Amino acid sequence: ETGVTQSPTHLIKTRGQQVTLRCSSQSGHNTVSWYQQALGQGPQFIFQYYREEENGRGNFPPRFSGLQFPNYSSELNVNALELDDSALYLCASSLGLRAGGLPDTQYFGPGTRLTVL
Amino acid sequence: DAKTTQPNSMESNEEEPVHLPCNHSTISGTDYIHWYRQLPSQGPEYVIHGLTSNVNNRMASLAIAEDRKSSTLILHRATLRDAAVYYCILRDPKTSYDKVIFGPGTSLSVIP
Repeated sequence: ETGVTQSPTHLIKTRGQQVTLRCSSQSGHNTVSWYQQALGQGPQFIFQYYREEENGRGNFPPRFSGLQFPNYSSELNVNALELDDSALYLCASSLGLRAGGLPDTQYFGPGTRLTVL
Repeated sequence: DAKTTQPNSMESNEEEPVHLPCNHSTISGTDYIHWYRQLPSQGPEYVIHGLTSNVNNRMASLAIAEDRKSSTLILHRATLRDAAVYYCILRDPKTSYDKVIFGPGTSLSVIP
């Protein structure tokens, strides 16, 4: 069973550019969540996809968008990059809310380190 | 969302037990208490979770206060590999989606 993988591991962009980050979920998981982690802080929830639909979103502007594909892999797109977007971007896969609403364990990838110059 | 409060940092000697506290005075009756940890240069990983009773697994033990307003993650014998940031998180099964809200966590240093 392969774990959650993310690509690329590191990325450098300039202000105003657009970036796409990719995530492959753990086998059998239908839910993917994306997080932004600034240096020295805990991860902040961006949004979550369940079976190709966004079903929850944190306090992030619309220039942060995503996709989930039929094989449950996912992309995070960020438009009009700003300096403050420099962070570690983490994705996590899970079975979402299981029967009865019990929260499932989220399995995290190693992250993509984005630097905006 | 109910919040948790943890010390910013703690230190432990190698091979000694470590007790990592977490306060969650506004916890609801249905919130689960989850612990994750993040090793340097890695994504967070699940450690343990519980609702009301104390829990044990191969990684750690979770002691939950009777009133559920606090909990303690116990590492029985700290190793250098346990040096990480530990996050105490409340997860509400009544939300419409699987929401995980991280705080700043406790940075644990293990001294050889």
